[in-house]
Amino acid sequence: EIVLTQSPATLSLSPGERATLSCRASQSISTYLAWYQQKPGQAPRLLIYDASSRATGIPARFSGSGSGTDFTLTISSLEPEDFAVYYCQQRSNWPPTWTFGQGTKVEIK
Amino acid sequence: EVQLVESGGGLVKPGGSLRLSCAASGFTFNNYNMNWVRQAPGKGLEWVSSIYSDSSYKYYADSVKGRFTISRDNAKRSLYLEMESLRAEDTAVFYCVRDDFLTGYADYWGQGTLVTVS
Repeated sequence: EIVLTQSPATLSLSPGERATLSCRASQSISTYLAWYQQKPGQAPRLLIYDASSRATGIPARFSGSGSGTDFTLTISSLEPEDFAVYYCQQRSNWPPTWTFGQGTKVEIK
Repeated sequence: EVQLVESGGGLVKPGGSLRLSCAASGFTFNNYNMNWVRQAPGKGLEWVSSIYSDSSYKYYADSVKGRFTISRDNAKRSLYLEMESLRAEDTAVFYCVRDDFLTGYADYWGQGTLVTVS
């Protein structure tokens, strides 16, 4: 079973700053990784899939990188609406299952 | 507009049963694999179960295997989760989630329905 470990647990930053979130897989998952954003009381929203492809309608300030076991979500300049919890997720081809990381909270400093 | 609307959550005693439903609209339901994902209060996301578009395959997380059953009715554009032998640790918001067949990821989520086992 693949385990995803996200770091840090909490990131305290100011609007306009750059956010760098990490997700590490317990074994290689190629680029089968997605990132989601979740705001309080809302369902998660897909931001990035296949490690670096932006989902439809996602602003260019969100970017993803990595392959194998180490992945990064970067928010180039934080907007007020970006303060939220971010989850990474890997998809297994067979059996077709999903695994989520434990989340990183990006909070206002 | 894609919409997924869950229903059926509520308060149930340990050992009890509950059936969740998800009504889908705005897309060709029978073309998509579907999933249930849950989130315990204040915790992270946990994938629960998935079902192929034609119901030919069904998969479950180890934590629910043997207790939960996923099903769908394509004619009614509906997804279901039958939950039995519920435990306190099953308390969570349950989301109905569409699996984007092009990418394999969760592209649309419902707003969730809360299940409380107490």
